[in-house]
Amino acid sequence: AQSVAQPEDQVNVAEGNPLTVKCTYSVSGNPYLFWYVQYPNRGLQFLLKYITGDNLVKGSYGFEAEFNKSQTSFHLKKPSALVSDSALYFCAVRLNTGGFKTIFGAGTRLFVKA
Amino acid sequence: GAVVSQHPSWVICKSGTSVKIECRSLDFQATTMFWYRQFPKQSLMLMATSNEGSKATYEQGVEKDKFLINHASLTLSTLTVTSAHPEDSSFYICSAWHNEKLFFGSGTQLSVL
Repeated sequence: AQSVAQPEDQVNVAEGNPLTVKCTYSVSGNPYLFWYVQYPNRGLQFLLKYITGDNLVKGSYGFEAEFNKSQTSFHLKKPSALVSDSALYFCAVRLNTGGFKTIFGAGTRLFVKA
Repeated sequence: GAVVSQHPSWVICKSGTSVKIECRSLDFQATTMFWYRQFPKQSLMLMATSNEGSKATYEQGVEKDKFLINHASLTLSTLTVTSAHPEDSSFYICSAWHNEKLFFGSGTQLSVL
């Protein structure tokens, strides 16, 4: 079965420290990979995507993600966390089937302490 | 950037009534839209794929007669929760692809009393 896994329910990091939010996937073919962020009672906002090319992709708000095909991972990273980065982060995979359905990981809540 | 507008933002209704949620793509056309359901502190669950001019495609376990989807134009999809019950209370989110990005509405919090 095709799936997306985010092994950590919550990540805590101090402001100014680097952060990593993990994601692995199990999907056939060459999927499109995404990270989205959700603030309370709001829809999701696009952060970044990987389709092809360089394994390190840069996105919004200073975030970046590293695609690792052999490990089927797509971890989200940021060199220096901000308190305002505290939110719920979702890893997602777009399936290359009719309609381009997207499946989401369970989400990881990021807490950045001042 | 592209905007997906979803209304209402929240709705409270009595058990047994029906509720309609609208999802509009404001500055692009969307032949396909997606409806998700999100429970508190949980991930998004894809309910159905809305197809303009044809029937929606429902995910396994989603009741077609309970969650009616209509996609009458290239910019509007609606989700109607029929004969709502307390267990239908949830956060519903619509989305659509544009330029290889999935854009989301702001969501609708449905509370059924």
